[in-house]
Amino acid sequence: EIVLTQSPGTLSLSPGERATLSCRASQSVSSSYLAWYQQKPGQAPRLLIYGASSRATGIPDRFSASGSGTDFTLTISRLESEDFAVYYCQQYGSSPLYTFGQGTKLEIK
Amino acid sequence: QVQLVQSGAEVKKPGASVKVSCKASGYTFTGYYMHWVRQAPGQGLQWMGRMHPNSGGTDYAQKFQDRVTMSRDTSISTAYMELSSLRSDDTAVYYCARGMGGTSGFDYWGQGTLVTVSS
Repeated sequence: EIVLTQSPGTLSLSPGERATLSCRASQSVSSSYLAWYQQKPGQAPRLLIYGASSRATGIPDRFSASGSGTDFTLTISRLESEDFAVYYCQQYGSSPLYTFGQGTKLEIK
Repeated sequence: QVQLVQSGAEVKKPGASVKVSCKASGYTFTGYYMHWVRQAPGQGLQWMGRMHPNSGGTDYAQKFQDRVTMSRDTSISTAYMELSSLRSDDTAVYYCARGMGGTSGFDYWGQGTLVTVSS
C-alpha cells in the first residue's frame, strides 16, 4: 500500500502570503496519478489539481503544483480568504487503488 | 451541468445495512467510473471502491471487500453503495464522486450522505 504523508499538519499564514504544502509518498507514484483537493467545512472535496500539475476546470492560477516520484508540492501564490481550508493529496496505484494523504489544514494566522 | 445528488441522512443500528444512492445528471452516466469515498467525523478521506456503470464492474478496497456492494441502475442514472454489518466506526459522511478518465482525479462529488450507526 502506498502511504501519502502530508506536511505540515497545520499551516498558519496570513492573506497575501505564499503557501507551500507537501505530499510525500512511501513509493514512487506516477505523475499522471497524483491529485490535490480542497475541502471546506461541511462541503465535499473539490478537485484542484490532477496529473500532478494540471489545474482542474475553474481553478484560479494562484494554485500550482509540481513534483514527481515520491515528492509533490501544492503552492498557493497569494492566499485569499477563501483559500483557508483542508487540502488533501491523492494517488492512484496498487491495492488499495486510491489513497489519500491525511490532509493539511491551512488556517488564518 | 454535471450534478451528483445523494440520498438523505440515515440512522442505523449496529449489524444493519445501509444503501446510499447517487443520482447523476448532466453527462453520460455510463461513460465514467463512479467512486465512493467516506469521511468519519473530524477525519480524512478514505476510498471505498469504484464501479463502472457501463459494465457494472467493481473494484473494492480490501478493507471493505466483505461488506460493500456497489451497483447501478442505468435507466435512471443512479449508482448505489450498500454497506452491511454496520459498526459504530462506520459512522461517517459517504460521498460519491465521478472519476476523470485517464487520471486519478475525481472531478465531481455528491453532497455527501451522513450515516450514523448507533444503538
